[in-house]
Formats: sequence, C-alpha cells, structure tokens
Amino acid sequence: DSGVTQTPKHLITATGQRVTLRCSPRSGDLSVYWYQQSLDQGLQFLIHYYNGEERAKGNILERFSAQQFPDLHSELNLSSLELGDSALYFCASSVEGQNYNEQFFGPGTRLTVL
Amino acid sequence: GENVEQHPSTLSVQEGDSAVIKCTYSDSASNYFPWYKQELGKRPQLIIDIRSNVGEKKDQRIAVTLNKTAKHFSLHITETQPEDSAVYFCAASTHNTDKLIFGTGTRLQVFP
Repeated sequence: DSGVTQTPKHLITATGQRVTLRCSPRSGDLSVYWYQQSLDQGLQFLIHYYNGEERAKGNILERFSAQQFPDLHSELNLSSLELGDSALYFCASSVEGQNYNEQFFGPGTRLTVL
Repeated sequence: GENVEQHPSTLSVQEGDSAVIKCTYSDSASNYFPWYKQELGKRPQLIIDIRSNVGEKKDQRIAVTLNKTAKHFSLHITETQPEDSAVYFCAASTHNTDKLIFGTGTRLQVFP
C-alpha cells in the first residue's frame, strides 16, 4: 500500500457523459500527478499540481481538467467522454515538486466508456 | 518532442538467468531516470532510479546503467526469479518539467 488512495476503483459510463476521479496523496506529500494508462499508449503524463497550483501539463485533452484543493486532494474531471477515453487512470504523489522525488502511485481508477 | 523508447517489448528468460531492458531518451536535458515495476492489475512501483551525475547504481540483484552521451540507460536483473515476472517501465524527466515520460514497457516472464 503506497498511501495514495483513489476513488472510485471502477467506473462504467456512456459516451458523452462526465465523470470525476478523486485522488488523496500520501500524508505530507504536496505534489499530485495524473497519468493515463491505455493498452496502446502506455503510461501518459496528464498533469502535475504542486500545493494547489498547476506545475506542468502533458498531452491532456481540453475535455479533461483537474484541480488540487487546499487539503491537497485532487480531482480529475473528464467530460464529453469518448470510447477512446477508456483506460486506467493513476494518480501519484511525491513529497515536493522536484523531478527526482519518488512518485508513489495509487491503485488507479479503471474507466470504461460504453 | 520528448520521447523514451524501450526495448524489448517482451522478454522471456529462464529462472536464474539475467535480463536486460534498454531505453533511449530524446531530451538531452533529462536528468532523472527511474524504473517502475507493474504487476498485473497493480500500481507501478519504483524499483530503482539514477540521476544524470551517476553512471551506474546497484541494489542487490538490480542495477541501472546510464550513458549520457548516447542517451541510453538500461536495467539489469541478475539471478531472475519467477516473482520478477511483471511489466517494467523506464522513464525520464528533467528538473524544470517534473513530469515523467515513460517508455512503452517490457513484459518480463521468468520461467521456473
């Protein structure tokens, strides 16, 4: 157990819908990262928040947005869902925002879009 | 753009043999190279990492080497065991972006 929690574990929804994935980082960690893992794309970096502020963005679609709250938990919002958005979404946390700090991954949320 | 290539995509070895996985990165500013192990249905977990000021790092049966000139880094697992079977991902990042760029993964199977 890494200490990073994600809810829900599984999510099944229809195309065009909107969902929110939640992540609670390890106690004391200020950074939260979101990754998408699909079969054909591997692990893709989406976005990084540090202490409530956006630090870096990857190839995150405009339909996707995220935020980190004052209590440091983070939410990833996915809207106008398409079949191709079906994937495993991981969040990870680290102590600081330095790139060499170990990132601890949560158990992931498996999103299925039908 | 930033890219990390990883080979091979699958690797099968006999228990006790060594396994080597190789990665190449494109961004010469990359300075941190972690390796993650992901067992089926589980989260990626860091197994070893190396910074650009070091050429080699060892931790028991696992070692990582880095060639900055060639922009290559490799994972070496010696005396493989069935529990080493998993997907291994290499990654690279730079100090000013904080994001990890992952390779496409290597599925390692260790046969008893």
